[in-house]
Amino acid sequence: AQTVTQSQPEMSVQEAETVTLSCTYDTSESDYYLFWYKQPPSRQMILVIRQEAYKQQNATENRFSVNFQKAAKSFSLKISDSQLGDAAMYFCAYRSARGSNYKLTFGKGTLLTVNP
Amino acid sequence: GAVVSQHPSRVICKSGTSVKIECRSLDFQATTMFWYRQFPKQSLMLMATSNEGSKATYEQGVEKDKFLINHASLTLSTLTVTSAHPEDSSFYICSARGGGLAGGLGGKNIQYFGAGTRLSVL
Repeated sequence: AQTVTQSQPEMSVQEAETVTLSCTYDTSESDYYLFWYKQPPSRQMILVIRQEAYKQQNATENRFSVNFQKAAKSFSLKISDSQLGDAAMYFCAYRSARGSNYKLTFGKGTLLTVNP
Repeated sequence: GAVVSQHPSRVICKSGTSVKIECRSLDFQATTMFWYRQFPKQSLMLMATSNEGSKATYEQGVEKDKFLINHASLTLSTLTVTSAHPEDSSFYICSARGGGLAGGLGGKNIQYFGAGTRLSVL
């Protein structure tokens, strides 16, 4: 079974600075998808960014980018120019690309605090 | 992005009663819907997966008779917590994925989440 590990229960960053959240995963599959979801205090899960494992290029979405290291099974999220609204719980998630299994496996999350 | 509406956002009920939570995909057809449970400061725990028109697939340890899931149409799934007890108090979240083109709105590779339902059983 796949597992997702987020080794940082909590992180903090100064407003306008850059922060990187770590995520590693364990899988024997070669084709899969990786996601970062954000859960602010409202508890609405919001998709931040996604990466297809077959793509070598790292995904970017405005201030959010990932460092996808397939061999190392690492998928970190970098938030640049942090804003107060970025404060949230961030979950890394894995999904197999095989068959019709669309289940997400989540990490335990990293609580990000943004200091003004 | 695609919108998933979950209702109610909060419910308080007496022990022994049943509670129904609705999950609707508003602008796409949801081929599959998922139901999660989340305890305070913890991750999401998948309870069950439901495909339209077929029985839900429950994760190990989830009581099928306690948590009834119905996915009668491509835009609606319901979770009914039967004979609720205080230990069922939790935050329940649904998500939906479409059957559309990968990467497109409602695309098959993305799960869109509802805003969650906080259930408190007295």
